[in-house]
Amino acid sequence: GDSVTQMEGPVTLSEEAFLTINCTYTATGYPSLFWYVQYPGEGLQLLLKATKADDKGSNKGFEATYRKETTSFHLEKGSVQVSDSAVYFCALRQNNDMRFGAGTRLTVKP
Amino acid sequence: EAGVAQSPRYKIIEKRQSVAFWCNPISGHATLYWYQQILGQGPKLLIQFQNNGVVDDSQLPKDRFSAERLKGVDSTLKIQPAKLEDSAVYLCASSLDPAATNEKLFFGSGTQLSVL
Repeated sequence: GDSVTQMEGPVTLSEEAFLTINCTYTATGYPSLFWYVQYPGEGLQLLLKATKADDKGSNKGFEATYRKETTSFHLEKGSVQVSDSAVYFCALRQNNDMRFGAGTRLTVKP
Repeated sequence: EAGVAQSPRYKIIEKRQSVAFWCNPISGHATLYWYQQILGQGPKLLIQFQNNGVVDDSQLPKDRFSAERLKGVDSTLKIQPAKLEDSAVYLCASSLDPAATNEKLFFGSGTQLSVL
C-alpha cells in the first residue's frame, strides 16, 4: 500500500543553519503531498503542500518540491529559527486516504 | 473560525477500564477522522466518517474500539476494555470536501491517553 518514509530524528541545528528533512513515498497513483508541523503542546497543522509533479510548496520560508522521478518531497529551509523547533510530518493523500511518516523532531538552538 | 475541539486533554486509566473521547469538528466539515499517534510514530488512521456514515474503519480494532458520529457533527471514540498498548495520543481531524484529495486536514490538539 501507499506509504511515506522520512528521515529519522532528532535533528539539532543552530539558529540560521540550513535545514533538510528527507521524505520519500511509495504510491500506486498520483498522490498529493503534504508537510505538517506539530509545535509543542499543539495539534498538527499544515505547513505546505504540492498536488502534482514539479509543484513547489512553500510557507514561512520552508519549501518542498514534488519530485516524481525520485518519489521525494524533501523539506528545506535556508535559515532556521528557534521558533521552528517542532515535529515535522511528511504525508501523502490519495483518494480519501491520508498516510503520515513517523515524524522528525527538530530542535533549533540559539 | 473555531478549530477542531477535543476533550479531555489528558486521561489516565488502568488496563481493562473503559474510556471515551469526544470531538467537535469545524462547522460544516463533512469528513471527520480519528487517528492514533503512538509515541515516536506518525498518526495512524483509525476511522473516517463522511457525515454520519463510515468511509473507512479497516484499521480500527473493532473488538475493543468503537466510534460514532450521530447527526453527522460531533463524534465519540470509545475503548472498552483498554490495553497497555492503547497508550497514545488520539487525534481528531476534519476536512470540508471529501472529494478534494489536495485538501488539508484540520487537527485538534488531541487526547493523550495513558493506560497503566
